[in-house]
Order: sequence, then C-alpha cells, then structure tokens
Amino acid sequence: GQNIDQPTEMTATEGAIVQINCTYQTSGFNGLFWYQQHAGEAPTFLSYNVLDGLEEKGRFSSFLSRSKGYSYLLLKELQMKDSASYLCAVRSRTTDSWGKFQFGAGTQVVVTP
Amino acid sequence: GAVVSQHPSWVICKSGTSVKIECRSLDFQATTMFWYRQFPKQSLMLMATSNEGSKATYEQGVEKDKFLINHASLTLSTLTVTSAHPEDSSFYICSARLQGPGEKLFFGSGTQLSVL
Repeated sequence: GQNIDQPTEMTATEGAIVQINCTYQTSGFNGLFWYQQHAGEAPTFLSYNVLDGLEEKGRFSSFLSRSKGYSYLLLKELQMKDSASYLCAVRSRTTDSWGKFQFGAGTQVVVTP
Repeated sequence: GAVVSQHPSWVICKSGTSVKIECRSLDFQATTMFWYRQFPKQSLMLMATSNEGSKATYEQGVEKDKFLINHASLTLSTLTVTSAHPEDSSFYICSARLQGPGEKLFFGSGTQLSVL
C-alpha cells in the first residue's frame, strides 16, 4: 500500500507564493503528479516528476526527492482563479499493470484579495 | 491536450435501477482507463483499472458485481452501477492513460450520481 499526506488547507493572498508539500510512502515508485481540481470538476494535469529535482512550468513548479519521499508544488504570483484543490498523486508499478495511481486527499488553496 | 469525454454529467435514478457511465478518449487510444469515486471534499479513490480486451482489475473493497466495467475498444470504457442504492451516490470520474513521455492521465468531466 501507500500513504500520501498533504495539508488540508492553505490560505494566501493574491500575488503571493504558496508551497504545498506532499510526502508519500510507496513501493515501486514510478512518478509523482500534481493535479488541480476546482469544485465539481475533474482534475487537470499540472506537473510530473519522476527524477529528483525541480520542474518549472510558468507560475507553477514542482520538486521531487525520491530518497525522502517528498514533493512540493510551488504556486507563484497567486491569482484568484488559483483557488482550488491541489492533488498529489503517486504512480507505482505493479506486477500486473503499467502503474497504479493513488491520490492524496488534496490541499484546498484559498486565495484572498 | 488530449480529451476524455465522460457521459452523462449527472444522473438521478431510483434505488434498485442500474446506471451506465461512459468514458471515451476522443483523440487518442487508451489501452488503460481508470475509474475513481470521490465523495465531497475527499480524495479520488481508485475503484478499478480498466484494460482493453481483458477483465478489469478492482481495488480491494470494490464489489465487482456491483460495479461492472467493460473496456470493449481502445477508446471506450463503461462503468455500470448495478442495483444502485443511496449509498452509491457519489461523483464518479474516469481517466485515460496517454502513453508517451510522462505518460499522463487525462480525466473525464465526471458524473454526479444521485440515487433516490
């Protein structure tokens, strides 16, 4: 099995930076993904890390340390539309499939004016 | 980006009836699709992995006879909730695996099921 932990909620002001941490325990690690989910909608893909280090995509960056079982998603220059739930997802290899995704509970980010 | 279409978006049904939810990858072939269930303010819970041309792999605790999955083609997987009960009311989301660098998952828009 695997455990994925991330904070329940974070609040930040518009224009600020917020870092969402995710720790995980898994066997057969095969990638870590971040998704954004607005209420009542399907998740949308934000970033992917499989090797250690930082991946930057515009205002969003994601970091991975496999040895520590740790990742973070960094949101810069926060905008009101960034208010959403951010899901950390870990993919792991299994003997009978390409890879199984398991999701964290999500971090609700609230952006205030 | 890749598009996954899920239908219907919402459905209300009577207890004891069956409901079918379709998940289609519109512009790519998906040998693997996943079905998730999500309760309000909770995480996506993987229910099953749908493999084209073979039986689905169900997660522990998910009843195979209750949640029937069929992946008859490379672009379509269906989830049928049989003999639905109010406790089956939930948000169901499918996703399809896009092979290639990063092997991303793309999600359908979800189906809100309400069983009366």
